[in-house]
Amino acid sequence: DSGVTQTPKHLITATGQRVTLRCSPRSGDLSVYWYQQSLDQGLQFLIQYYNGEERAKGNILERFSAQQFPDLHSELNLSSLELGDSALYFCASSSGLADTSTDTQYFGPGTRLTVL
Amino acid sequence: TQLLEQSPQFLSIQEGENLTVYCNSSSVFSSLQWYRQEPGEGPVLLVTVVTGGEVKKLKRLTFQFGDARKDSSLHITAAQPGDTGLYLCAGVETSGSRLTFGEGTQLTVNP
Repeated sequence: DSGVTQTPKHLITATGQRVTLRCSPRSGDLSVYWYQQSLDQGLQFLIQYYNGEERAKGNILERFSAQQFPDLHSELNLSSLELGDSALYFCASSSGLADTSTDTQYFGPGTRLTVL
Repeated sequence: TQLLEQSPQFLSIQEGENLTVYCNSSSVFSSLQWYRQEPGEGPVLLVTVVTGGEVKKLKRLTFQFGDARKDSSLHITAAQPGDTGLYLCAGVETSGSRLTFGEGTQLTVNP
């Protein structure tokens, strides 16, 4: 158990819909990261938040957005869903150390999104 | 965006055999991490290598970071069925803390 929790574990929805994925980081961690894992593209970095502020952006679509709240939990919002958005979505957290080379990210169990 | 190429993509071996997984890039990373992922779970960090030329051992697993910090390898000796899983390398980019993952190596160790 990494200490990172994600809900829901599974989500099935239809094209065009909007969903919200939730992540609670490990106690004391200030950074939250979102990743998408699909069969054809592997694990892709989406976005990072640090203490409520966006810190880095990766391959995140404009239909997707995220935020980190004052209690440090984070939500990833996916809208106008398409079949290709079906994937595993992982949240990870880290302490947000200044030495990023050794700032370990701990991954949650993921949310499996299926778009029908 | 820095890219990582991982090989082989699939590896099926018999218990007791040795194997090596490679992770290569044309870019320099500030550090390189290796993860193992089980079905239905998130990746779990095995090791972080930071210094060029660094070698770390974790029981039967040996991790090496290339001198130029562009490539890494994972060597497993006397593989066991419990080693079965998806092995991922990930580079920490020099410009921040984002991770760039390789495509993964699906290892199956048959008893």
